[in-house]
Amino acid sequence: GAVVSQHPSWVICKSGTSVKIECRSLDFQATTMFWYRQFPKQSLMLMATSNEGSKATYEQGVEKDKFLINHASLTLSTLTVTSAHPEDSSFYICSARAATSGATYEQYFGPGTRLTVT
Amino acid sequence: GNSVTQMEGPVTLSEEAFLTINCTYTATGYPSLFWYVQYPGEGLQLLLKATKADDKGSNKGFEATYRKETTSFHLEKGSVQVSDSAVYFCALPVRGGADGLTFGKGTHLIIQP
Repeated sequence: GAVVSQHPSWVICKSGTSVKIECRSLDFQATTMFWYRQFPKQSLMLMATSNEGSKATYEQGVEKDKFLINHASLTLSTLTVTSAHPEDSSFYICSARAATSGATYEQYFGPGTRLTVT
Repeated sequence: GNSVTQMEGPVTLSEEAFLTINCTYTATGYPSLFWYVQYPGEGLQLLLKATKADDKGSNKGFEATYRKETTSFHLEKGSVQVSDSAVYFCALPVRGGADGLTFGKGTHLIIQP
């Protein structure tokens, strides 16, 4: 149980185009989903928190107009990288917290999406 | 916000050796603490957690004790196996319990037969 999927697993796009990444909770409902970014050989950095039906909350330094997040249902959140540039190339990872997680606040992570902007 | 410092690797050990990966944190209050593991080509998996001071989290032979006096959450295993080779991350909420997580830089563990 508690499986989170991401699609696509990797994507290559040209500079100036937009790319959408999907994050799905497959066997549970997720009231909250999180988006992280991982640079090569470095740790994960929290980008934003998205709650179903409301606007995402972005961490300091993350451009909300560049990284558009939508959480339209309890099982799907999307991250759109708009007008992508080579410096946006990275590994993007989502996680989801079950509606029933209670005080444990446990998160389940997706396998990640490798974005390369040429 | 909260932060975590974790020993960096790579750490190379022989099979059946004792493992310790150090993790210390800075936090407001007493948040839950987590260890995640990332096997090659896979996503992060929760290894163990502790929700309050003096709690011991354990799973698959790994253990970590929430020490508020030393603000530490060191990961230990008495006898490692080749299959334990992975990257290990210490983590805690960025701010409060309901927040996303802040992670240490990760420790790459390599176990040699």
